[in-house]
Amino acid sequence: DVKVTQSSRYLVKRTGEKVFLECVQDMDHENMFWYRQDPGLGLRLIYFSYDVKMKEKGDIPEGYSVSREKKERFSLILESASTNQTSMYLCASSSPGRNTGELFFGEGSRLTVL
Amino acid sequence: AQKVTQAQTEISVVEKEDVTLDCVYETRDTTYYLFWYKQPPSGELVFLIRRNSFDEQNEISGRYSWNFQKSTSSFNFTITASQVVDSAVYFCALSEARNAGNMLTFGGGTRLMVKP
Repeated sequence: DVKVTQSSRYLVKRTGEKVFLECVQDMDHENMFWYRQDPGLGLRLIYFSYDVKMKEKGDIPEGYSVSREKKERFSLILESASTNQTSMYLCASSSPGRNTGELFFGEGSRLTVL
Repeated sequence: AQKVTQAQTEISVVEKEDVTLDCVYETRDTTYYLFWYKQPPSGELVFLIRRNSFDEQNEISGRYSWNFQKSTSSFNFTITASQVVDSAVYFCALSEARNAGNMLTFGGGTRLMVKP
């Protein structure tokens, strides 16, 4: 069964803490994504990676960084968490080509920053 | 810039009713892709359909059907004879071909509640 796995379903952190969100996919997909989901705003793209060590900024990259050292793993890093980063974070992966745009999502990581 | 608008934030229907979820998009590209995703209570978004901008044929898959109209920049989704299991948040999304169809812009989502 193909899968995108996010390391934590729920996290509670304090303002200023460094936060790591991990995502692993087992489909050998080239593309991986981090989205943020907020009520009424839908999903907004934070970062996109199309290959190991490659990344592109999405719509809202400020306050975030990413790391892709291995093809199957894509990490989202909040260097200094702030309360406005309280949100649901969704990781996704896809393969380029004829199934373009068909993203496979993880179950999400709900982050609360106090 | 591309934009997707789902004006209905929440819809409540009784089982077996038909329901249509609206989606309006904006893009300057002539080649683009449109999508619908479903997010059940478990949280994991599931791909439902992709349409490219050159294919305006409506599509039907079981109880689901999609109506794509370029003239009104709309890509609406209809569930016929709704069931409780259809309760979820539904997202419409757009991707421009110059992004290789990979960077999706999502609408705000419509929460559908189907009551028994």
